[in-house]
Amino acid sequence: DTGVSQNPRHKITKRGQNVTFRCDPISEHNRLYWYRQTLGQGPEFLTYFQNEAQLEKSRLLSDRFSAERPKGSFSTLEIQRTEQGDSAMYLCASSRRLAGGNEQFFGPGTRLTVL
Amino acid sequence: AQKITQTQPGMFVQEKEAVTLDCTYDTSDQSYGLFWYKQPSSGEMIFLIYQGSYDEQNATEGRYSLNFQKARKSANLVISASQLGDSAMYFCAMRTFVGENTGNQFYFGTGTSLTVIP
Repeated sequence: DTGVSQNPRHKITKRGQNVTFRCDPISEHNRLYWYRQTLGQGPEFLTYFQNEAQLEKSRLLSDRFSAERPKGSFSTLEIQRTEQGDSAMYLCASSRRLAGGNEQFFGPGTRLTVL
Repeated sequence: AQKITQTQPGMFVQEKEAVTLDCTYDTSDQSYGLFWYKQPSSGEMIFLIYQGSYDEQNATEGRYSLNFQKARKSANLVISASQLGDSAMYFCAMRTFVGENTGNQFYFGTGTSLTVIP
């Protein structure tokens, strides 16, 4: 495996249902990020993990959103009681701890559609 | 407040010509990093180039170069010898770095759609 993987790639759900997405980062990367991207916009930061610790969480993130990274490897993002406004592409990215660029490698994303 | 501004929603360039995509940023932090990403229609985000706030020389990566003007808070991307495969959305992003374990957030602009004309 040479990249970040995300599952599922697409999710269609009804309003009010809970959904969970999974992200598997590049194995040696200790930093993991979740973003949301809507059509015509750049990615919007949601939350950030260093190993298993959730160090940053956007103030825009509703209490319906929760993310975990229990063993410092894969991460899950759960949205409870989904709303139509949650429809977006959810991107996961990972990076190594480096003195330099800390470039992020992105996964293919999970596209959520809330009906 | 942290902010990235990309004022060009769409750009066109003739194949083999150079093109500059504009990016300005706003931060009060002294230490930060600036990135450019490419997002083709397939959706994946591809890292292109990085410039650190303390780097004195402009970053270059192959056909990509970053015109970093710190006093003006601009970090424009220059693509030389454009190719048809360069047609995509381009996002400028900024990473702030308050401390080793905190403040490591990324902020993205709204993007510029580049179309390379044969």
